[in-house]
Amino acid sequence: GQSLEQPSEVTAVEGAIVQINCTYQTSGFYGLSWYQQHDGGAPTFLSYNALDGLEETGRFSSFLSRSDSYGYLLLQELQMKDSASYFCAVSSGGYQKVTFGIGTKLQVIP
Amino acid sequence: GAVVSQHPSRVICKSGTSVKIECRSLDFQATTMFWYRQFPKQSLMLMATSNEGSKATYEQGVEKDKFLINHASLTLSTLTVTSAHPEDSSFYICSARDAGGREETQYFGPGTRLLVL
Repeated sequence: GQSLEQPSEVTAVEGAIVQINCTYQTSGFYGLSWYQQHDGGAPTFLSYNALDGLEETGRFSSFLSRSDSYGYLLLQELQMKDSASYFCAVSSGGYQKVTFGIGTKLQVIP
Repeated sequence: GAVVSQHPSRVICKSGTSVKIECRSLDFQATTMFWYRQFPKQSLMLMATSNEGSKATYEQGVEKDKFLINHASLTLSTLTVTSAHPEDSSFYICSARDAGGREETQYFGPGTRLLVL
């Protein structure tokens, strides 16, 4: 099966940088995704890494190390609206099904 | 970007009744759709993978006779919760993979909140 670990909660100051780590165990690994979910809403796709390295999309960057089964999401220039839950998720298997981690609740404070 | 809709957004039903939830991809064809449930403050748990024209693949522990999935077309999948009970109350979310798009991207519907009394 698949398992993922990420911190349950993180607090950071507006304007700062925060890194959310994710480690995983899975077979048939395709890639690692990150999703954002605000309270009461549906998840929205942030990024995807299939190969080792850093992917940058605006203020958000995501990193993957396949050999370490590890990735992280980096959020820069934090804004209050970034307060949300962030899920890492692995794609695996024939249908590339996506298995989610427990989610990290990020609270951005003034 | 790609849009996925769900209907209804919220439903309250009596114990023992069945509830059907629709998931539609509005501007793309989805050969694969996924159904998740999410309890408050918890993660999304994959229930089943739905492929157009074939039987759904259910995750371990998910009763296929209780959660009926039909993927009748490239833009529509339905989840029917049969003989619903209070413990089935949850947030049900579908996602769809664009057949012509990036393989890794799933587009999520807005979710359906089910409350069984």
